[in-house]
Amino acid sequence: DSGVTQTPKHLITATGQRVTLRCSPRSGDLSVYWYQQSLDQGLQFLIQYYNGEERAKGNILERFSAQQFPDLHSELNLSSLELGDSALYFCASSASGGRHTQYFGPGTRLTVL
Amino acid sequence: ELKVEQNPLFLSMQEGKNYTIYCNYSTTSDRLYWYRQDPGKSLESLFVLLSNGAVKQEGRLMASLDTKARLSTLHITAAVHDLSATYFCAVDLNNNDMRFGAGTRLTVKP
Repeated sequence: DSGVTQTPKHLITATGQRVTLRCSPRSGDLSVYWYQQSLDQGLQFLIQYYNGEERAKGNILERFSAQQFPDLHSELNLSSLELGDSALYFCASSASGGRHTQYFGPGTRLTVL
Repeated sequence: ELKVEQNPLFLSMQEGKNYTIYCNYSTTSDRLYWYRQDPGKSLESLFVLLSNGAVKQEGRLMASLDTKARLSTLHITAAVHDLSATYFCAVDLNNNDMRFGAGTRLTVKP
């Protein structure tokens, strides 16, 4: 158990809908990262927040957005969902905004029908 | 464009044998991570390699980093079934952006 929690574990929804994935980092970690894992794209970095501020952006679509709240939990919002958005979404946390080991949560499996 | 290439992508080994997984990357970086993922599970950190020439060992796994060659290796010694998993290398791009390889799916057979 990495200490990173994610909810929900599974999410099934329809195309065009909007969903929110939630992540709580390990106690004391200030940085939160979001990743998407799919069979065709592999593991892709989406976005990072550090202490409430966006720190780095990867291959995140404009339909996706994220935020980190004062209690350091983070939410990833996915809107206008398409079939291709079906994937495992991981959240990871690290001690600081610097270059430390990231600890991954159990993931949220999103299925778009 | 940054590339992180792992090979092989699929590896089937007999128990007791040795093998090496390779991770090549195309940009300058002095920090590389190895992760393990079991089917349907999350990623577990195995090693962090922080500088050129770094070598880390844990049990039957040993990882090394050559930043000049832009190459990291994960060596498996006397494989056992419990090592069956997918292994990812990830390159730190110095800006909090980490790029993962495609993963090597390892199967250890009795």
